[in-house]
Amino acid sequence: NAGVTQTPKFRILKIGQSMTLQCAQDMNHNYMYWYRQDPGMGLKLIYYSVGAGITDKGEVPNGYNVSRSTTEYFPLRLELAAPSQTSVYFCASSYGTTTNEKLFFGSGTQLSVL
Amino acid sequence: GNSVTQMEGPVTLSEEAFLTINCTYTATGYPSLFWYVQYPGEGLQLLLKATKADDKGSNKGFEATYRKETTSFHLEKGSVQVSDSAVYFCALSSTGTASKLTFGTGTRLQVTL
Repeated sequence: NAGVTQTPKFRILKIGQSMTLQCAQDMNHNYMYWYRQDPGMGLKLIYYSVGAGITDKGEVPNGYNVSRSTTEYFPLRLELAAPSQTSVYFCASSYGTTTNEKLFFGSGTQLSVL
Repeated sequence: GNSVTQMEGPVTLSEEAFLTINCTYTATGYPSLFWYVQYPGEGLQLLLKATKADDKGSNKGFEATYRKETTSFHLEKGSVQVSDSAVYFCALSSTGTASKLTFGTGTRLQVTL
């Protein structure tokens, strides 16, 4: 059972570079999320999607873009990387949207922008 | 806005010791409360949850009770094992949101023999 798969696990970027963090889930979940976790802080929601073709901003969306062309994939795009985007990024998915829904997480991508 | 405050780690315990990780929250309405755990090299996974006041969530020997009067959801285990070494996250989900969680900072637990 693959669950939620994130790639890459680690990446170092130079300021101004761009990259895409990949996320795939094989559970046919409608809902997918991107969180970031800065050192000493809790996870914060960047973007989320309620289904293919539908995305919406979370708490900290600036500097990121997302797309959801299929149910399985939810890539996160960083344009013009900045040191403030140094963080650990987690992708997650869930079947439904009730407030007590269980989220399934990927193992994270550790990104450093230097 | 919503917020979750967890005790800072790391917490280091000997095997079979009693564990408490404190978690308090601020939220509007009646949130659901969760504990997620992240084992080394893995993603976060749900450990337990409680959806209303006085509910007790439990799993794998861990327990937490939803205390509305003290706005707390402390995680406890009577006898920890080395395999419990992980990072523990307290989180809440507010009424009406699409499973968008507010997380605490995480507490690292290290259990030694």
